[in-house]
Amino acid sequence: AQTVTQSQPEMSVQEAETVTLSCTYDTSESDYYLFWYKQPPSRQMILVIRQEAYKQQNATENRFSVNFQKAAKSFSLKISDSQLGDAAMYFCAYRTVTMNRDDKIIFGKGTRLHILP
Amino acid sequence: GAGVSQTPSNKVTEKGKYVELRCDPISGHTALYWYRQSLGQGPEFLIYFQGTGAADDSGLPNDRFFAVRPEGSVSTLKIQRTERGDSAVYLCASSLQGFTDTQYFGPGTRLTVL
Repeated sequence: AQTVTQSQPEMSVQEAETVTLSCTYDTSESDYYLFWYKQPPSRQMILVIRQEAYKQQNATENRFSVNFQKAAKSFSLKISDSQLGDAAMYFCAYRTVTMNRDDKIIFGKGTRLHILP
Repeated sequence: GAGVSQTPSNKVTEKGKYVELRCDPISGHTALYWYRQSLGQGPEFLIYFQGTGAADDSGLPNDRFFAVRPEGSVSTLKIQRTERGDSAVYLCASSLQGFTDTQYFGPGTRLTVL
């Protein structure tokens, strides 16, 4: 079964600095999607970035970028120029390309990110 | 609508009672999902609808949980004989067509069973 592991329960970063959140996963599939979601105190999960495993190029969305290492099954999120509004829980998630009965979006336990002014 | 909406925002009930949680997806989205998020955990999949039918309900924990989507839009998650262990945030998401599309989440319903 697929698993997603976020080894950092909490992290802090100074405003305007760069921070990297770690995520590793385990799967026997060759093609799949990986996601980072942000969950602020409002509880609403917001998609930050999405990566398709067959694409070698790392996804980027403005200040957010990923370091996707397929062989190592690692998918870290880098936030540049951290802003106070980035403070939230961040969840790494995995799903396979095809929707079969046993395939779900699998979320890690999350990393709480604090931004220090 | 502008986004996925869920009602109520918070629900407190007593052990053994029946509750219904409502999800209103983004207009035009055919796929709808329910997740449960316990304290300190990531969301866990419960059920996925494609149109009116449940395409995958394998995440429902037991037969006390049931969900419907009779007209292919609004969905209701129903929990019978609630237990304290059912306390969690119940998240709903929708996507344009199916599981490969980006899922947009609602703000969730926090259920507390006393």
